[in-house]
Parts: sequence; structure tokens; C-alpha cells
Amino acid sequence: SQQGEEDPQALSIQEGENATMNCSYKTSINNLQWYRQNSGRGLVHLILIRSNEREKHSGRLRVTLDTSKKSSSLLITASRAADTASYFCATDFSRVYNQGGKLIFGQGTELSVKP
Amino acid sequence: DTGVSQDPRHKITKRGQNVTFRCDPISEHNRLYWYRQTLGQGPEFLTYFQNEAQLEKSRLLSDRFSAERPKGSFSTLEIQRTEQGDSAMYLCASSAGQGTYNEQFFGPGTRLTVL
Repeated sequence: SQQGEEDPQALSIQEGENATMNCSYKTSINNLQWYRQNSGRGLVHLILIRSNEREKHSGRLRVTLDTSKKSSSLLITASRAADTASYFCATDFSRVYNQGGKLIFGQGTELSVKP
Repeated sequence: DTGVSQDPRHKITKRGQNVTFRCDPISEHNRLYWYRQTLGQGPEFLTYFQNEAQLEKSRLLSDRFSAERPKGSFSTLEIQRTEQGDSAMYLCASSAGQGTYNEQFFGPGTRLTVL
């Protein structure tokens, strides 16, 4: 299977703490994306990092990508109760920019932020 | 209209019945994707369209499944002779063509329960 692996499967922290989630994948990628899913809802796109980038920031989110280790991490700083959700990494294996095509999702990390 | 919409949001059916789901993508997006998600798992790719052309189908998409996008706008996913194993959340996503890295924007999903 091409599906990525996410670690940990579940994470419980207090409000104000940082949360780190990791994702590993198996073959070369064009880009890697992170999504959030609140219980029973659709997925919300958070951030995309291209294969030639190493780090990217968006508000309280920081994503890193290590293509030599085929891994990525998502850091949420100063977490809030509203960050409680499942977080998925998704890899795009298309060979060229803008080719389109399927994303391969990991199994997700379930984050619980306690007030 | 600012997002992807799906209809119905919930569907309960008896084994052996046919069901059809509809997805309306973001209006300027020419790519449309269907995924299936079961409890505790990440979404799994089913099929994708660029305009009205179906460009890829997963092995998960058995002969009982058919998807169409007749005019390159909305799409339908039909499941014939439903089985209990078809119970899942069916997610639709769309992405723009030119100038993007395949960020996909998801609808709220249709939750199917087969009794």
C-alpha cells in the first residue's frame, strides 16, 4: 500500500501546549498536504509543502519535510480546545506540477486538547 | 456558493438497494475526486475526473460502483446492489487546474449506512 503512516495515532494535551504529529511515506512525492477533520465532517485543507521545500509556516502551524527520510511533521503551537480534531497527511505522487490526481492519506492522528 | 456541496448528507438503505450521491464542486474547479472513508481510517481514493473525463479509477471501485460527470460540473456516484461493507463516508473534493499544486477542497461528505 502507498498509504502513509502517522504517529502518534492519538495525542492528548492541555490548552497552551504544543502538539507535534509525524507522517512517513514510501516513495518520492511532488508535495505533501495536511488536513484537519472535525468529528463526522469533511476535511479542511491546512497547508501544502512542496518536495523542494523544507519548512513552511501558516499562523500557529509549522510543517517540515525531510525527503531523505520520507517524513513530515506538523507542529501546532499554543494549542486551543478548538484544535481538537483528527489530522491527516496526504501525499501527492504526481510526477509533474499541476498534473492533478489522487492523494494518498495516512490513517491520521486524533488530537484532543483539554481546556 | 463558496465550497463543495454534497447531497444527501446521510443515507440509510437496505442491502441490495441502489443509491446515488451527488457532488457539486467549487464552480471554477475542473477536477473532481471521490474518496471513501471508514471509521478510524484516512480517506481512500475511488476515482477522479478532469472536466467530464474520468481519468483514474481505483481497484476499490468494483463493478457495482459507477461515477459520472456529464457536463464537467456536478458529479454523481452510484452504488448498485449495496452491501453492508459499503457503509462508509463518501467524500467529494475538487481542485483547480492551472496554477495549483493539487490542493483539494472537500465537501461535508455523505454518510451511507447499509442495513
